[in-house]
Amino acid sequence: EAQVTQNPRYLITVTGKKLTVTCSQNMNHEYMSWYRQDPGLGLRQIYYSMNVEVTDKGDVPEGYKVSRKEKRNFPLILESPSPNQTSLYFCASSLSGARYGYTFGSGTRLTVV
Amino acid sequence: AQTVTQSQPEMSVQEAETVTLSCTYDTSESDYYLFWYKQPPSRQMILVIRQEAYKQQNATENRFSVNFQKAAKSFSLKISDSQLGDAAMYFCAYRSAGAGRRALTFGSGTRLQVQP
Repeated sequence: EAQVTQNPRYLITVTGKKLTVTCSQNMNHEYMSWYRQDPGLGLRQIYYSMNVEVTDKGDVPEGYKVSRKEKRNFPLILESPSPNQTSLYFCASSLSGARYGYTFGSGTRLTVV
Repeated sequence: AQTVTQSQPEMSVQEAETVTLSCTYDTSESDYYLFWYKQPPSRQMILVIRQEAYKQQNATENRFSVNFQKAAKSFSLKISDSQLGDAAMYFCAYRSAGAGRRALTFGSGTRLQVQP
């Protein structure tokens, strides 16, 4: 089944404790991206990757890191999480053409206390 | 930068009736794509329908159709014969066809309730 797999689904952590949210897709998509969803704000792009070893900032990159060492994987790293990073996070992928919508992962609900 | 506006935070419709969700966008580009995504309580993001800006014909997918007005920069979603399973948050989104990061830019969403 074609899908984007995101883990974990739920995560509660403390301020300052480094964490990684994993994302993997099995569709050979070139384009991958991370979004955060907050009430009243919709989804906002954090980082994106056009292909292996090619990553760039989205609209809200502060406090996050990413890497793309393999085509299928695109982890999101929070090196020192803060309470304002409490949010619902989505990983998404697509073929490189703009006509394609994204395929989304099932989301990670992160709470930083 | 492009912006997408959904001015209806919440909408309600009776089962079997028709409802229209509004979306407007702002862009200086002529070539782009527009999408509607559905997010049910499971929080999964599901693509409902897509419209290509260079096509004048409005997209249709079963009970879902759009009214795309390029000059007015309007992209509304019509749901016919509403069903209980249509209850969800709906997001309008824009994607540039040009080179570059090609992010999906989302509106703030409209929560649709379906009354039995």
